[in-house]
Formats: sequence, C-alpha cells, structure tokens
Amino acid sequence: QVHLVQSGAEIKTPGASVKVSCKASGYTFSNYHVDWVRQAPGQGLEWMGIINPTGGATTYAQRFQGRVTLTRDTSTSTVYMELSTLRSDDTAVYYCARRPYGDYLDFWGQGTLVTISS
Amino acid sequence: QSALTQPASVSGSPGQSITISCTGTSSNIGNYNLVSWYQQHPGKAPKLMIYEGTKRPSGVSNRFSGSKSGNTASLTISGLQAEDEADYYCCSYGTSGSLLFGGGTKLTVL
Repeated sequence: QVHLVQSGAEIKTPGASVKVSCKASGYTFSNYHVDWVRQAPGQGLEWMGIINPTGGATTYAQRFQGRVTLTRDTSTSTVYMELSTLRSDDTAVYYCARRPYGDYLDFWGQGTLVTISS
Repeated sequence: QSALTQPASVSGSPGQSITISCTGTSSNIGNYNLVSWYQQHPGKAPKLMIYEGTKRPSGVSNRFSGSKSGNTASLTISGLQAEDEADYYCCSYGTSGSLLFGGGTKLTVL
C-alpha cells in the first residue's frame, strides 16, 4: 500500500530555514510527481510546488519563488521541501502528496507542523 | 483570497442531500476537466473524494458525486451522514503544472 511518511514537527526562529522530508513507499517512486501543500492554522490549503522524481524538474507557486526548494533522493525514495527566510506567517502544517497523471493528489503524508517563533 | 470560490459553510440534516459549489474562471475550471475534491476532518490530512471532475477513487462512497458546468464545479453528497461533517476543498489544474485550491467549505450535519 502507498505511504508517504513525513519528518517530525519543527520549531524555527524568524529568518531561519526548515527542511521537511517525505519518504515514499508502496509504489514506483519515479512514476509519480510529488506536490507540497501547506495549511496555516484555521486556514485553507495552499499549493506550494511540485517535483518530478525523474530528473528533478520543479515548478513553484509564484508567491514562494526564491524561498522554496524541492529536491529528491531517488536512492531512498524521499522528497524534501526547504523553505528559507522564515516568517511568522509561515507557521503551518506542511503536507506532501502524490500526483498521478490527471492532476489530482491521491495519497497524502501525515503532515508536518512547522512553528515559527522568536 | 483563494483562486477558486467556495461557500464558507453549508449544512444539512441526516439523509438529505447538499451541494457545494466551486467557481473559477475560463483559465482553470472552465478550461480543463481536472477538478478534484478533498475531505478533511479536524487534525487529519485531506482525503481525495472526487478526481477528474466526476470520478470516485476506490473506497469512496457513491453518495459523493461531482459535476461541472462552465466555470463552476460542484460536489454533491446524498444521504448525509454524521461522518460526512468535515471541511471540503475543491482544486483545479491551473497553468504550468500548478494547482489551485478553493477556500474550503465547512459542512455541518444538523
């Protein structure tokens, strides 16, 4: 069965960076893109970007351009999301999700809470 | 402000049907048959309920159905059950690989 397992909660100070991992299992890693979506407390879902595990090509939402970097390690079937220059409004739960052809998200990680606090 | 517009809340009694609308533009919903819907219970990750506008993943009840007319997609839940109480999000393909989400709709089962 498909699983996406994310790393644990993080507490960061403003201006720092955070790197969240998402380890995939139960399917052929190279056959599906992986997206990142975040959700601020009490707010809706916000799309951040996508990575193609084959070759590593990425597309980012315009509002995160220059601050977010998605990478992957094919040897461990893991995708990483790094967000830099953190601000208090980056406090959110960050999710990774698998995207099949058809542009929907069929399996999601459990979420990683990132808290920005001085 | 979200790219797709959903009502903030809807409600219905057990056994009734409700419909949640999701309005976009001719650049997203109106241009692609790539709308998906997600259910999210408090503290949980979203769950895919409808994809490609009308299709249900394996394991999702046939009480859930999707449709589209022009720039507006809709999710209908028939035979409401207490367990359906949750937040629902629509999502559409945007451009260049991007996804757009609606602001979410809180469903209350009375």
